[in-house]
Amino acid sequence: EIVLTQSPGTLSLSPGERATLFCRASQSIGSGSLVWYQQKRGQAPRLLIYGASGRATDIPDRFSGSGSGTNFTLTISRLEPEDFAVYYCQQYGPSPPPFGQGTRLEIK
Amino acid sequence: QVQLQESGPGLVKPSETLSLTCTVSGGSISTYYWSWIRQPPGKRLEWLGYIYYSGSTNYNPSLKSRVTISVDMSKNQFSLKLSSVTAADTAVYYCARGATRADYWGQGTLVTVSS
Repeated sequence: EIVLTQSPGTLSLSPGERATLFCRASQSIGSGSLVWYQQKRGQAPRLLIYGASGRATDIPDRFSGSGSGTNFTLTISRLEPEDFAVYYCQQYGPSPPPFGQGTRLEIK
Repeated sequence: QVQLQESGPGLVKPSETLSLTCTVSGGSISTYYWSWIRQPPGKRLEWLGYIYYSGSTNYNPSLKSRVTISVDMSKNQFSLKLSSVTAADTAVYYCARGATRADYWGQGTLVTVSS
């Protein structure tokens, strides 16, 4: 069973800065089956990125995803106040699909 | 836009069955897969299983003997039953559209297992 490990656990940045979040898989999952979700406090997760790099519907282009194999990255090019939230990666396809433990992006 | 809403008891006694329903609005339940996902306090998200509108299911092996997911197309709803619950089943339960990749989620409902 694949385990996804996200880093850092918490990232403290200021609006306008660039955020880089990492997701590492315990074994290769190829390039097409990783997603990123954003979860704001008290809200449901929202799909941001699918297929490692495709932006979901209505997601701003400041969000981008990359990676393949075992290493994946979510980049937010210029942080807006509404971007401070928890971010999860997840592999889809296998059963059960594993989730990462999350990265909390907080305002510095 | 598709919206999902979970409903059901927020408190369940140990050894009893947890039952939740997800009502889908803004779109038909047909032609899609529908999932249940949960998040225990302080822990990562855990996928419980999914159902196709036709009724075929796939469950997390770690819970397979306790989980049942069903669909009611006439009401545009799908449901979760988790039997023999313990305190470890205390979590926020989410319903979502998709099999193993969720593009729409409900707001989630906290279910506490306690006597």
